[in-house]
Formats: sequence, C-alpha cells, structure tokens
Amino acid sequence: KAGVTQTPRYLIKTRGQQVTLSCSPISGHRSVSWYQQTPGQGLQFLFEYFSETQRNKGNFPGRFSGRQFSNSRSEMNVSTLELGDSALYLCASSLAGRVGDDGYTFGSGTRLTVV
Amino acid sequence: GQQLNQSPQSMFIQEGEDVSMNCTSSSIFNTWLWYKQDPGEGPVLLIALYKAGELTSNGRLTAQFGITRKDSFLNISASIPSDVGIYFCAGQPWDNAGNMLTFGGGTRLMVKP
Repeated sequence: KAGVTQTPRYLIKTRGQQVTLSCSPISGHRSVSWYQQTPGQGLQFLFEYFSETQRNKGNFPGRFSGRQFSNSRSEMNVSTLELGDSALYLCASSLAGRVGDDGYTFGSGTRLTVV
Repeated sequence: GQQLNQSPQSMFIQEGEDVSMNCTSSSIFNTWLWYKQDPGEGPVLLIALYKAGELTSNGRLTAQFGITRKDSFLNISASIPSDVGIYFCAGQPWDNAGNMLTFGGGTRLMVKP
C-alpha cells in the first residue's frame, strides 16, 4: 500500500513569507500528526488532526496552523517565517483511535529552509 | 511537558558487536515505540510496545517496555553496517487521548566494518 506522502520535499522561502505543506496519509488512516525536527530541539510535536478536528496541539506559536480535509489529507501553514523555522517537517498517519498495531507511519518530510 | 532522556547520544562500535540503548522518563507512558531514521528520510518504525513488562523482538532487535512504564530499552545483536543511523525512542503519554508522541533525543549509531 502507498505510504505517507509529503509535498513538496524541499522548499526555500524568505523571512516574512508564509508556506503551506501537504501530507497525504495512508489510505484508511484518519489521524495525521505533524512534527518539526531540528538539530537543536530534535523531534517536536506540532499538532494532530483526527476527523478534520485538531485533537492535540504542541507548544508552538500561533504562526503554525493546520487543517485536515474530509479525505484525511492535511496541510500545515507557517506564516511570517523566521530563520528558526528552518527544519524538516514530518507528518505521521495512524488508524483511528490511539496508536495501534499499525504503529505510527511517517512520511519522508519536507525540508524547509528560510533565508 | 514530558521529557524522554535517551542514552547514549552516540555509539561507535565494531561490526558484530551488540548494542544497547535506553530511554527514561519521570512520566508514565502507555506505548513505547522505537524508530530508525536515515539521513533525509522520516523515521521508520522498528518495534512497538503496548504493555508494561512486554519484551518484543524483530529480527536482531529486541525491545522492552519497563515495568514502571517510565522506561524502555532497545538491543541490537550482531550489528552490521546497515544498522548505521539515528535511533529514536518515542512514548505516548498515558494521559493523552490522541496520537501525540514524545521523542527522545536520539542515539547516533556508527558501525565500523
């Protein structure tokens, strides 16, 4: 079966701009979570969407937002980009409910560079 | 928030040696997961643990969910060059209703042929 698809793979943006990243989960998965990975802070949870509703939110400023569509695809948006937002953004999808036998499958990520 | 302390941060071993790494926390977790990440890719799930005391193997990998629910370890036996990468532990907090994971800082494994 197809895995988690994130687009684009690479992105270069200028400070102050905004960016939208996309994540298509594994077919049948209704939970999509987003993480930011940086060398200094490691993997940090941004937010989780389940059935088009935000179910969990990490400790990130309001410039980071997301949404989920009825087909479970998710997007995250970062507004007013800062240099420190440069990171690998990963999404993970899982089945309904808690992390189950299907585990938690990550996409390959979107590498965002802010200049 | 919850913190996962993963150690060691890095290991440089000889091919064929066994490897052990662990994660500890002051908080309780309902689920422990172990991932491996290669450069430029997302983490790939290696082992999932769901019950305190559970010991699970996946080929040369063995992981255990600590009895206190605050720790987990991963062992790799007879390491080979393709084991090189960064290994992460991740825990699902006991009081979280969704699919939020807290990650350890990672163990970078280097294998000398």
